[in-house]
Amino acid sequence: DGGITQSPKYLFRKEGQNVTLSCEQNLNHDAMYWYRQDPGQGLRLIYYSQIVNDFQKGDIAEGYSVSREKKESFPLTVTSAQKNPTAFYLCASSLESGGPSYEQYFGPGTRLTVT
Amino acid sequence: AQSVAQPEDQVNVAEGNPLTVKCTYSVSGNPYLFWYVQYPNRGLQFLLKYITGDNLVKGSYGFEAEFNKSQTSFHLKKPSALVSDSALYFCAVRDYEGGKLIFGQGTELSVKP
Repeated sequence: DGGITQSPKYLFRKEGQNVTLSCEQNLNHDAMYWYRQDPGQGLRLIYYSQIVNDFQKGDIAEGYSVSREKKESFPLTVTSAQKNPTAFYLCASSLESGGPSYEQYFGPGTRLTVT
Repeated sequence: AQSVAQPEDQVNVAEGNPLTVKCTYSVSGNPYLFWYVQYPNRGLQFLLKYITGDNLVKGSYGFEAEFNKSQTSFHLKKPSALVSDSALYFCAVRDYEGGKLIFGQGTELSVKP
């Protein structure tokens, strides 16, 4: 988990509220990613960013939004439009966005519970 | 489309015995393959990767993986399992287009004393 921090570790929200998950990295990595993990479904990509001020939708972007104003930070907002937001959210980063040989490093995750 | 499959949801091994966690892949060109481990309520930790070269790749914590192009497999192995190896293991293949990692469903490894 070293070098990537996610906060908070646990987050509880009422249905209908937007919530923002924090992700910060001090690895000087170019690319950052957000994944959602549900039991038995592996990891699914929500959004990713290869450079500052640019990002792309992943496989399940609906109901989520992101920003990349600084290289170190990639916050994820879970909006009220996300129909089933309760999940474990993982942020990751990698050294070079276009280089397929570079592994991704993951943060410790945020467990979001919406009731 | 590139994909990766982990055919076993769970693998049970006795401590001290060798372990294998299976992974098969489908890519249109040369694969870039990765193994990660996840302990409960934690992020994923990188174990090892295959980019090119030797088919046997050595990684962290005594793990290794064998790349087999003809069988399109990249199985994770360890000669002698430890109880502390019990965790969730993910195989992943790199997507060329955006650097995205495509993950398998994960395999729960349980090592009993």
